Parts: sequence; structure tokens; C-alpha cells
Amino acid sequence: ETGVTQSPTHLIKTRGQQVTLRCSSQSGHNTVSWYQQALGQGPQFIFQYYREEENGRGNFPPRFSGLQFPNYSSELNVNALELDDSALYLCASSWAGRDEKLFFGSGTQLSVL
Amino acid sequence: GDSVTQMEGPVTLSEEAFLTINCTYTATGYPSLFWYVQYPGEGLQLLLKATKADDKGSNKGFEATYRKETTSFHLEKGSVQVSDSAVYFCALSVMNRDDKIIFGKGTRLHILP
Repeated sequence: ETGVTQSPTHLIKTRGQQVTLRCSSQSGHNTVSWYQQALGQGPQFIFQYYREEENGRGNFPPRFSGLQFPNYSSELNVNALELDDSALYLCASSWAGRDEKLFFGSGTQLSVL
Repeated sequence: GDSVTQMEGPVTLSEEAFLTINCTYTATGYPSLFWYVQYPGEGLQLLLKATKADDKGSNKGFEATYRKETTSFHLEKGSVQVSDSAVYFCALSVMNRDDKIIFGKGTRLHILP
């Protein structure tokens, strides 16, 4: 077990709704990254937060946004959900500058109907 | 852009067989290379890594060698076990450019007893 916890584990939403996913990072880690893993695909980088600031972003529209809190936990918010947003959302924590030490949570499975 | 290509699965082998999962990459910088494993219902775990040419990463009987001349990082294991059944992801990261990890699409491995 990595110490990275995500909630909820499963979620069902309808198109157009908004969703918030949560992640508690491993103790001592100050960086959180979010990835989207569509069925049968590898994870795609959404963005990373370091010291409460966005520190890199992948090719995702602005309706994907995030927050990092002083305790380094994080939220991923998705507005105006689309069917293609259905995926496993993975959170990973690390100590800044050491991507090879990413520790992943088990993910939140989001289904958009 | 940077990318990772790995052999498509599923790969089905008998216990104690030799395993090779091919992975090639494209990167404009000097990437670090990784293999991650995802067991059913779990998040990704780092299996092994290599940070420079000719480095060999190894863990749990798995090995991969960073081949700059062929831009490859093939995963091998001499004798697989049923417990190795999982999805394996080849990935790269170019430090000091941005902090994302780029994953391949994954290769599902089934080991038959």
C-alpha cells in the first residue's frame, strides 16, 4: 500500500454535471499529480500541483481544474461533464523533482451517463 | 512530441515461461525510463527504472536495459509466475522540462498455471 488515498472509489454522474475527486498524498510528499486513464489506455497527465500552485498541465481543457491544500491533499474538479470523461482518475504523490518516486492511489472510477 | 510505444496485448504465457514485452520511445531530451505494473483493482506501482543509457533496471526478477541506440527499454523475466498477471506500462519522463510522465498504452499479461 502506497499511502495515497482517493475518494470516492466509484462515481456515476450525468452529462453536464460537475464532479470533485479527492486525494490525500503520502506523508512527507509535497507534490500531487493527476492522471486520466481511459479504458484500455495508459494514464494521461492532467496536471500537477506543488506548494498549492499548478506546476505543469497536460492537454486537457480548462473545465478540468484542481486545488492543493496546505496539508498537500488535493482535489480534481471537472465541470460540464462529457461522456468521454468516463475514466479511472489516478492521483500520484511525490517529493518535488523526483518523478521516478511517484506513488499512485487506487483511483476513482468515474462513469458519465 | 515525446511518446512511448509498447507491444499490444494481451500476452498469455504458461507459468515458468520466458517473458519479453517490447517498448520503444521517442524523446527530444534525455529521458528516464520506467516500467509500472497495475494489478487488478490497484493503482500503478513502479516496477523498475533506468535513468541513462546502458543502465539496467531490475526488480522481482524483471529486468530492462536502457538502449539509446535502438530507443528501446524491453521488459524481460526468465520465469513468470501466475502472480505476475497484471497490466504493464512502459513510461518515460524528461526531467527539468516538465514534470509529467508519459505512459504507453499498457500490455495485459495473463499467466496460466
